Amino acid sequence: EAGVAQSPRYKIIEKRQSVAFWCNPISGHATLYWYQQILGQGPKLLIQFQNNGVVDDSQLPKDRFSAERLKGVDSTLKIQPAKLEDSAVYLCASSLEFGKRNTEAFFGQGTRLTVV
Amino acid sequence: KQEVTQIPAALSVPEGENLVLNCSFTDSAIYNLQWFRQDPGKGLTSLLLIQSSQREQTSGRLNASLDKSSGRSTLYIAASQPGDSATYLCAVRTNYGQNFVFGPGTRLSVLP
Repeated sequence: EAGVAQSPRYKIIEKRQSVAFWCNPISGHATLYWYQQILGQGPKLLIQFQNNGVVDDSQLPKDRFSAERLKGVDSTLKIQPAKLEDSAVYLCASSLEFGKRNTEAFFGQGTRLTVV
Repeated sequence: KQEVTQIPAALSVPEGENLVLNCSFTDSAIYNLQWFRQDPGKGLTSLLLIQSSQREQTSGRLNASLDKSSGRSTLYIAASQPGDSATYLCAVRTNYGQNFVFGPGTRLSVLP
């Protein structure tokens, strides 16, 4: 079974530039999460999708971050404009089915963003 | 609001030792708890998932326990090996939310 795929693995941009990350979840997984992990901290949820609908985006800085999940499969996370404090690893995860809360979450390798 | 803490923040042990990592959470109304491993520069690898109705789960040299009433979980690693060196994260899924709330992790170093 293929895992969660993310790209790119690394990205370096200047502040005020824009950047986009892509995630392809495990086939058949209805729920998709984007987490932000700052160095030395645990991951923090940015947004959660169930199929192509948003379940929770309460911690997403909506003035600069946006995310979409077209057709309930792949997802993109965008930052525009980037700030220095956005430097972090962005992790995508998926789980099998909304409502079955006992299902495991599987994570991708992450995208390491450095804003200079 | 659910908060998760992990003690210790870092741990260094000689190879072969048994060790325990601790995870505490403030709201006992959880659906499940999952332990992850994270290697430097990598994503998270799921180790064990404990349902709220379970007391423990085992996989190889790993054993995770859950005490919901006290808001605690432990990850026991037997006969540690240098390859076990990584950061270990626990995450809880609450009854009222659908996502995982993570602790800050414990950074483990197993010395040959």
